[in-house]
Amino acid sequence: GAVVSQHPSRVICKSGTSVKIECRSLDFQATTMFWYRQFPKQSLMLMATSNEGSKATYEQGVEKDKFLINHASLTLSTLTVTSAHPEDSSFYICSAEQWRGNGYTFGSGTRLTVV
Amino acid sequence: AQTVTQSQPEMSVQEAETVTLSCTYDTSESDYYLFWYKQPPSRQMILVIRQEAYKQQNATENRFSVNFQKAAKSFSLKISDSQLGDAAMYFCAQGGADGLTFGKGTHLIIQP
Repeated sequence: GAVVSQHPSRVICKSGTSVKIECRSLDFQATTMFWYRQFPKQSLMLMATSNEGSKATYEQGVEKDKFLINHASLTLSTLTVTSAHPEDSSFYICSAEQWRGNGYTFGSGTRLTVV
Repeated sequence: AQTVTQSQPEMSVQEAETVTLSCTYDTSESDYYLFWYKQPPSRQMILVIRQEAYKQQNATENRFSVNFQKAAKSFSLKISDSQLGDAAMYFCAQGGADGLTFGKGTHLIIQP
């Protein structure tokens, strides 16, 4: 089945620094990658949609300058949290759909802690 | 805008019994899919079952089945012969062209 590899699984960074999270589709081409954020005991909230070769689209309330998304190829999308602050601490998950209606495959998530 | 509502924050069931998790949704799209995902403590999202909205027949996957009522915009999940490994958060989701919209989740507890 379709696999999405996400790294790192856990990262602790100092306030003010930047962190990059990578998601790779291993056995299919993902023209679109979705990025979600999940706070403890809450549901997943869509942050942005990353499209290969074009600019990402962000959900209302998500700062595009803080959460930089790059979809450089059909198998790689990255999310960079810039100038991270403690309130950015969360669980970030990417997902992609191998084909329409197949069901989205999720990465294993990244637990970001900003200290 | 799409909304997905799960009205049961927590459900508990005895091992080997049957449990039903409820979900309602609202969408203006005509072409969409519905999903149930399981999230165990590892937080890996696992697809449990999916339903094409244009299909009237309810989807089944082994012990998991859905009751899809399109007119009522209802999409419940039935788990038969519950097992300890079924304990997790379950999220109902509606998928359109713009990704998934999730419900708030139901925490399923399996009593041994």
